[in-house]
Amino acid sequence: EPEVTQTPSHQVTQMGQEVILRCVPISNHLYFYWYRQILGQKVEFLVSFYNNEISEKSEIFDDQFSVERPDGSNFTLKIRSTKLEDSAMYFCASSEQLSYQPQHFGDGTRLSIL
Amino acid sequence: QKEVEQNSGPLSVPEGAIASLNCTYSDRGSQSFFWYRQYSGKSPELIMFIYSNGDKEDGRFTAQLNKASQYVSLLIRDSQPSDSATYLCAVNRRSNMLTFGGGTRLMVKP
Repeated sequence: EPEVTQTPSHQVTQMGQEVILRCVPISNHLYFYWYRQILGQKVEFLVSFYNNEISEKSEIFDDQFSVERPDGSNFTLKIRSTKLEDSAMYFCASSEQLSYQPQHFGDGTRLSIL
Repeated sequence: QKEVEQNSGPLSVPEGAIASLNCTYSDRGSQSFFWYRQYSGKSPELIMFIYSNGDKEDGRFTAQLNKASQYVSLLIRDSQPSDSATYLCAVNRRSNMLTFGGGTRLMVKP
């Protein structure tokens, strides 16, 4: 069964550094998403991406964050000047053509900011 | 008012029993409803989705939706210890984004 893959599984970074989280969505999916989950808290939406542009973003997704689809398979989340509170699990998800269809999640990247 | 609300649990049921998980949502314009299972330290795994009022069954799982009352539920029949996890209700309100509840922790005791 096709799946969303994310790398790395765990990223440790010094505060103030930039990180790039990578995702390969399911191949025939057209909508891509990033969510995060701080330990013990709810899964929170960050951003959705369709047709090479952001279609929606949350209040969390400020100028510190950016997303990119650098090629035909990868989808990346860049976090600039990381802060301690950016420590969380970051999940990539994708869905088929229609936006209300189920979103399938990758295994996540655990980001630890020191 | 919380957008998507779930009882945090834990909900404890004996093996073989029916587990009933409930979720309420605040936005009447919500269009699609999802149940995800999340094991500790793992990612959300899609279990069921439902778009219309009524019941939808898939194996041991039944999702129930009542838009008038703004609630959605998940029934797990013949519960197994491997069903022990946190169950997340997620709602697609009017756009691409999913709004998640805090999850209900289910414990199935042998």
